Amino acid sequence: QSVLTQPPSVSAAPGQKVTISCSGSSSNIGNNYVSWYQQLPGTAPKLLIYENNKRPSGIPDRFSGSKSGTSATLGITGLQTGDEADYYCGTWDSSLSGRGVFGTGTKVTVL
Amino acid sequence: EVQLVESGGGLVQPGGSLRLSCAASGFTFSNYWVTWVRQAPGTGLEWVANIKQDGSEKYYVDSVRGRFTISRDNAKNSLYLQMNSLRAEDTAVYYCARDRWVVVGATTLYYGMDVWGQGTTVTVSS
Repeated sequence: QSVLTQPPSVSAAPGQKVTISCSGSSSNIGNNYVSWYQQLPGTAPKLLIYENNKRPSGIPDRFSGSKSGTSATLGITGLQTGDEADYYCGTWDSSLSGRGVFGTGTKVTVL
Repeated sequence: EVQLVESGGGLVQPGGSLRLSCAASGFTFSNYWVTWVRQAPGTGLEWVANIKQDGSEKYYVDSVRGRFTISRDNAKNSLYLQMNSLRAEDTAVYYCARDRWVVVGATTLYYGMDVWGQGTTVTVSS
């Protein structure tokens, strides 16, 4: 069971913007960086955002990340059909013995 | 090219064992933490376990602790996951990924997983 909560789905028309929230607690998001992953159908996940708001090389600036307190947000502007995928937030949870954690995942649909 | 390639998946009966491998290339494997992540059919990602560069620290999700063992051989640039007492709920695609941590002042923070393998499928069924 995921400790980070995301909306199951979001959708918008091509060219529009979507945002995906990721809600956690002080033992995870509140005290660590958040990363975001894109998983296209039938493929392995890919790092999209790291250290809350940084993009690896090759990731377009249409993708952005932010964090405030125990929540984080992924934004996608200029939505394209190729952005249809599942998106997951992730971080480290320092409660108990420590472990990595992912969000519940959000399906982005381009209408 | 920086790459991770998993192998060792297959069909196994409940209660059985399986050993997954992950071969790293294109980077200095011994400099990085590495992680196993799994994804059951039609569900989201689940973090399974990770291991420090020298193997001195290991962390597990509660559902596999005591049944799964993560290990590495830096001389062979390889990561392993020994899975014992397998259950139907362990059925999933298993990915290995390279972990990144960054030191900020006196604190070490988790950066994320920046390189992923293509996954290997484990099916636990009679």
